[in-house]
Amino acid sequence: QAQLVESGGGVVQSGRSLRLSCAASGFTLSSYTIYWVRQAPGKGLEWVAVISYYGSKKYYADSVKGRFTISRDNSKSTLQMEMNSLRDEDTAVYYCTRESSWGAFDMWGQGTMVTVSS
Amino acid sequence: QSVLTQPPSASGTPGQRVTISCSGSSSNIGSNNVNWYQQLPGTAPKLLIYWNSYRPSGVPDRFSGSKSGTSASLAISGLQSEDEADYYCAAWDDTLDGRVVFGGGTKLTVL
Repeated sequence: QAQLVESGGGVVQSGRSLRLSCAASGFTLSSYTIYWVRQAPGKGLEWVAVISYYGSKKYYADSVKGRFTISRDNSKSTLQMEMNSLRDEDTAVYYCTRESSWGAFDMWGQGTMVTVSS
Repeated sequence: QSVLTQPPSASGTPGQRVTISCSGSSSNIGSNNVNWYQQLPGTAPKLLIYWNSYRPSGVPDRFSGSKSGTSASLAISGLQSEDEADYYCAAWDDTLDGRVVFGGGTKLTVL
């Protein structure tokens, strides 16, 4: 069964770092561009970062640029997002999701909660 | 403030037809396809409509999408209680490298 599974969330103090992981199974990860999308409590969806098939292209939302770094290891079917200098406003559920050939997000992980406390 | 504009709420009774609008600009909806996602309470979003009006396998034909100019709409006919969820529109934006923009979401209540 094809799926994405996030991990690494938790409670962290403002200014500290956290690393999220996204494990892919049941499909060839290198065939997909992968996005991180977050959702603050009670709020809507917000695009955070994107990494191309082999990691040559990476783009970040202005709100996280310079603080978050996305990477992938297709040989291990995993992705990571290193989050530094965390702020209260980074508190959210973080989802990894793949972009289908239709240009839509056809598979989502279950999400991992990140809580930044000051 | 979301780039795409959706009404914050919508409602209907079982069996009714409900529509949810999504308004954007020439750089996103006006020049790219619109996708719709359904998020049931406490769960991850799920792809509902892609390429403006196509349904992935398994999505009931009660759900339909359309696009005209810089606006799009999601219609749900024969409303059912299990349709109560948040609905988000999304589109790529030509002014933003690699970025997808979302609507603020519409909470659908089945009365």
